[in-house]
Amino acid sequence: GAVVSQHPSWVICKSGTSVKIECRSLDFQATTMFWYRQFPKQSLMLMATSNEGSKATYEQGVEKDKFLINHASLTLSTLTVTSAHPEDSSFYICSASGLAGGTSYNEQFFGPGTRLTVL
Amino acid sequence: RKEVEQDPGPFNVPEGATVAFNCTYSNSASQSFFWYRQDCRKEPKLLMSVYSSGNEDGRFTAQLNRASQYISLLIRDSKLSDSATYLCVESSGSARQLTFGSGTQLTVLP
Repeated sequence: GAVVSQHPSWVICKSGTSVKIECRSLDFQATTMFWYRQFPKQSLMLMATSNEGSKATYEQGVEKDKFLINHASLTLSTLTVTSAHPEDSSFYICSASGLAGGTSYNEQFFGPGTRLTVL
Repeated sequence: RKEVEQDPGPFNVPEGATVAFNCTYSNSASQSFFWYRQDCRKEPKLLMSVYSSGNEDGRFTAQLNRASQYISLLIRDSKLSDSATYLCVESSGSARQLTFGSGTQLTVLP
């Protein structure tokens, strides 16, 4: 299957700082990327959907000015948590679907996740 | 009301047991259904898709009942390595967005 990487795998930061998380598709073109957040013992909640070259579509209740998403290329999307606070501490996971060798992937391939802790 | 509901468990079963998980969904327009497996502090991994005709993959059998909006996963001859959280997932819409249930935790005991 296709491979998606995320960086960093974990990050600890002070309250008020901004944190950028990268999501890369390694062997396919990610025309669509999804960002999820998962709090302990809860489900993955979709935050936003981004299509390459377009503005992201945010789910209800997700602040677009706080969670900045950039999907400028077919292999990279970034999520920036601006002015992070302790309540933003969570497990952030990206996924991607797209094209490889002319074949369209309907399946979403997940990155390994980034654990964010805001002190 | 949650869009995808699962019994959170935990299910603690002995090795070799058969265990079944259930899931209900509220969106009658849902098009595709999946079971994912998530290990502790890891990303979810696709276990299998779920079809109306039912499908089997080794020890795993998935069933979909559209009339009752109900999905099931059966694990036979459970192994220690089956211990994980099992996520019921539905997909609808052209954006192929996934909606996850909160997961059912399984622990297989030696």
